[in-house]
Amino acid sequence: AQKITQTQPGMFVQEKEAVTLDCTYDTSDPSYGLFWYKQPSSGEMIFLIYQGSYDQQNATEGRYSLNFQKARKSANLVISASQLGDSAMYFCAMREGMEYGNKLVFGAGTILRVKS
Amino acid sequence: DTEVTQTPKHLVMGMTNKKSLKCEQHMGHRAMYWYKQKAKKPPELMFVYSYEKLSINESVPSRFSPECPNSSLLNLHLHALQPEDSALYLCASSPSGLMNTEAFFGQGTRLTVV
Repeated sequence: AQKITQTQPGMFVQEKEAVTLDCTYDTSDPSYGLFWYKQPSSGEMIFLIYQGSYDQQNATEGRYSLNFQKARKSANLVISASQLGDSAMYFCAMREGMEYGNKLVFGAGTILRVKS
Repeated sequence: DTEVTQTPKHLVMGMTNKKSLKCEQHMGHRAMYWYKQKAKKPPELMFVYSYEKLSINESVPSRFSPECPNSSLLNLHLHALQPEDSALYLCASSPSGLMNTEAFFGQGTRLTVV
């Protein structure tokens, strides 16, 4: 079964506007972590933001915030004030459980294009 | 130093060749990973090492052979690859691999099998 689902293959946003990238997940483990990564065309994976399953507040990192709705099992990424450099592939990812060295599993990704 | 360094950045190899990919980190991380990524697809986990021991093998064909000689180094030995193995190979490390630790990625090796 798909653990991480990103339903938007591609998104466009106007420069300086906000955009929301969707992510839903599936797990029966009460302990899990959710991550967002950015991958520019150069290939490197850049960590953006983390949300833990026990965190009471939504995570924020600069222009990035995570809209965490635990009951709905969704962890959407909100990018405020989009910039041309935000154009990239964005991946949602999850770790489950408390085992050492466990997996980081990725969703299919969303390609974001910022228009000037 | 917050880098994961992968070498080479690009590699072209024939189907009968033997080559190795190298990954190095000096952050003291004890979990290291190999991922394979095809174009416009997510990274797919291949192997996980925890404390220099192989902890996860995602049913990867034996033509891919990982090695972790010490806590800073991770190698991926390649032998008798197929053209469909052409991909971006990403190495990552994390402090522990526990649920609240992000993985730091290298820039990858773009592998072409001819």
